Amino acid sequence: DADVTQTPRNRITKTGKRIMLECSQTKGHDRMYWYRQDPGLGLRLIYYSFDVKDINKGEISDGYSVSRQAQAKFSLSLESAIPNQTALYFCATSDSIAGRYNEQFFGPGTRLTVL
Amino acid sequence: SQQGEEDPQALSIQEGENATMNCSYKTSINNLQWYRQNSGRGLVHLILIRSNEREKHSGRLRVTLDTSKKSSSLLITASRAADTASYFCATDQGGYALNFGKGTSLLVTP
Repeated sequence: DADVTQTPRNRITKTGKRIMLECSQTKGHDRMYWYRQDPGLGLRLIYYSFDVKDINKGEISDGYSVSRQAQAKFSLSLESAIPNQTALYFCATSDSIAGRYNEQFFGPGTRLTVL
Repeated sequence: SQQGEEDPQALSIQEGENATMNCSYKTSINNLQWYRQNSGRGLVHLILIRSNEREKHSGRLRVTLDTSKKSSSLLITASRAADTASYFCATDQGGYALNFGKGTSLLVTP
């Protein structure tokens, strides 16, 4: 969905490096999410934010941190990357206000490889 | 932990055939959603069914929900090669983020 953008789209880094993945949205949604996808494991929630001051850990938050800089921006950081964080990362948004039953809109994904 | 579990994990059919995939979940839900993911891309929302609904249609998609069995099915009629993708169910338990299953990989051959 072009309304949700992620940068970078691909990144190769080394163990121990700090990495930031960024997500921006123009949909005006209040809620934003970070997921990772591994083959055979589906999507797992890392962090979610229901508004700028409300950030919550998901299922697999260890080793990750997030920042909600504005309603439209939600970044994910790996302070010290490790190889098992190699995955496809997705940002998503949803709108609680319009009563859309939590339908989520996904970005194109960032493929991260940690060597 | 993941709430939904899709079945089968993989499905291969020919164009024109119907494709059925199932989703089972563990706890009560507000709604259940189905998403499609083309290879390596972001998920796209297909259809949502509320907990008080039993069946819903959208184009060639038909979704059923049986809350007593905690299960849902997605039927794609008259499949096309362009339907080749992974399909995920996601449950909304109310007030929190969605819980996604591991997905069904559908291959539609010409």
